Amino acid sequence: DSGVTQTPKHLITATGQRVTLRCSPRSGDLSVYWYQQSLDQGLQFLIQYYNGEERAKGNILERFSAQQFPDLHSELNLSSLELGDSALYFCASSWGGSSYNEQFFGPGTRLTVL
Amino acid sequence: GENVEQHPSTLSVQEGDSAVIKCTYSDSASNYFPWYKQELGKRPQLIIDIRSNVGEKKDQRIAVTLNKTAKHFSLHITETQPEDSAVYFCAAVLRNDSGSRLTFGEGTQLTVNP
Repeated sequence: DSGVTQTPKHLITATGQRVTLRCSPRSGDLSVYWYQQSLDQGLQFLIQYYNGEERAKGNILERFSAQQFPDLHSELNLSSLELGDSALYFCASSWGGSSYNEQFFGPGTRLTVL
Repeated sequence: GENVEQHPSTLSVQEGDSAVIKCTYSDSASNYFPWYKQELGKRPQLIIDIRSNVGEKKDQRIAVTLNKTAKHFSLHITETQPEDSAVYFCAAVLRNDSGSRLTFGEGTQLTVNP
C-alpha cells in the first residue's frame, strides 16, 4: 500500500457524460500527479499540482480539468466523455514539487465509457 | 520531440536467466531515471532509480546502468523468478515549455517461464 488513495475504483458511464475522479496523496506529500493509461499503453502524464497550484502540464485534453484543494486532495474532471477516454487513471504523489522526487502511485480508477 | 524509447516491448526468459531492458531518452539535461514494475491490474511501483551522478546502481538481483553520453539506460534482472513477470516501465524527467515531468517508456512485458 503506497498511502495514496483513489476513488472510485471503477466507473462506468456513457458518452457525453462528466465524471470526477478523486485522489488523496500520502500524508506529508504536497504534489499530486495525474496519469492516463489506456489498454496496452504506457503512462501518459496529464497534469501536476503542487501545494494547490498547477506546476506542470502534459497532454491533457481541454475537456479534462483538475484542481488541488487546501487539504491537498485532488480531483480530475473529465467531461463530454468519448469512447477513447476509457482507461486507467492513476494519481501519484511526492513530497516536493520537482519531478525528480520519487512518485508513489495510487491503485487507479478504471473508467469505462460505453 | 521529448520522449523515452523502450525496448523490447516483450521479453520471455527461462527462470534463472537474466533479463535486460533498454531505454533511450532525448533530453540531455535529464538526471533522474526511475524504473517501475506494474503487475496485472495493479499500480506501478518503483523498483530502482538512478541519478546522473552515478553510472550504475544495484539492489539485490536488480541493477540499472546509465550512459549519459549516449543518453541510454538499462535495467538488468539476474536469476529471474516467475514473480518477476510483469510490465516494466523506464522513465526520465524531460522538460518542455510547461515544466518538467516524468516521461515513461511504452513498457516491456516480461514473462519468466518456470
